Amino acid sequence: EVQLVQSGAEVKKPGATVKMSCKVSGYTFTDYYLQWVQQAPGKGLEWMGLVDPENGETVYAEKFQGRVSMTADKSTDTAYMELSSLRSEDTAVYFCATDLKGVTPRFDYWGQGALVTVSS
Amino acid sequence: DIQMTQSPSSLSASVGDRVTITCRSSQSISNYLNWYQQKPGKAPKLLIYGASSLQSGVPSRFSGSGSGKEFTLTISNLQPEDFATYHCQQTYSTVLTFGGGTKVEI
Repeated sequence: EVQLVQSGAEVKKPGATVKMSCKVSGYTFTDYYLQWVQQAPGKGLEWMGLVDPENGETVYAEKFQGRVSMTADKSTDTAYMELSSLRSEDTAVYFCATDLKGVTPRFDYWGQGALVTVSS
Repeated sequence: DIQMTQSPSSLSASVGDRVTITCRSSQSISNYLNWYQQKPGKAPKLLIYGASSLQSGVPSRFSGSGSGKEFTLTISNLQPEDFATYHCQQTYSTVLTFGGGTKVEI
C-alpha cells in the first residue's frame, strides 16, 4: 500500500523558515516525482514545484522561486520542502503528492497535509 | 503560465442529479488535464487523468471529456458522498496549474 506521511503542523513567526517532511512507503521512491502543493485557507490548490528523488533535480513555480527548496533523501525515502522568509500569506496546508514518471502526469497519491501557520 | 478557469465556482444539486463542471485553459493543452475531488480537511483524490481516463477505483458515474482548451467533468446520478470540491489541473506545461475549484453542494 502506497503511503505518504507528512510531518506535523507548525507555527512560525514572519521571516522564519519552515522545513517539512514527506515519508513515503509502498513503492520505489525513485520511480515517482515528488510534488508539493499549497492550499491557503478557503482557497484553491497551487502547485509549488517538484523534486526528482533519483537525481535531486527540481522545478519550482515562479511564485516560490528563491524562497523554496525541495530535496529528497533516498536513504530514508523521505522528501523535504523548505520555505523561507515566511509571511502571513504562507499560512496554508501543504501537501506532498506522487507523480509516476514516464506516464501522463497525474498526482495519484497524496500525503495528509501539513498546516503551517505564520503569525507574530 | 497557463491559466485554468473553472465554472461554475459552486453549484447546488440533489442526489440523483447529473452535474457538469467545465474547465477552460488559456491555451491548448491537448488532453493533459486531470480532475481531483477534495472533501473538507482531506487531501485531493485523483478522479480522471488524461482528460477522460478513469483512475482505478473511481466509480463509473464520473466521466471526463474534452481536448484542446475546453474540458468537462460529468457526475451522473450524484451520490451523497460526491458533495465535495472539484479541481482541474493542466499538466501540459512544466509549470503545472490548477483551476480555482468548483464546490458541489446539496
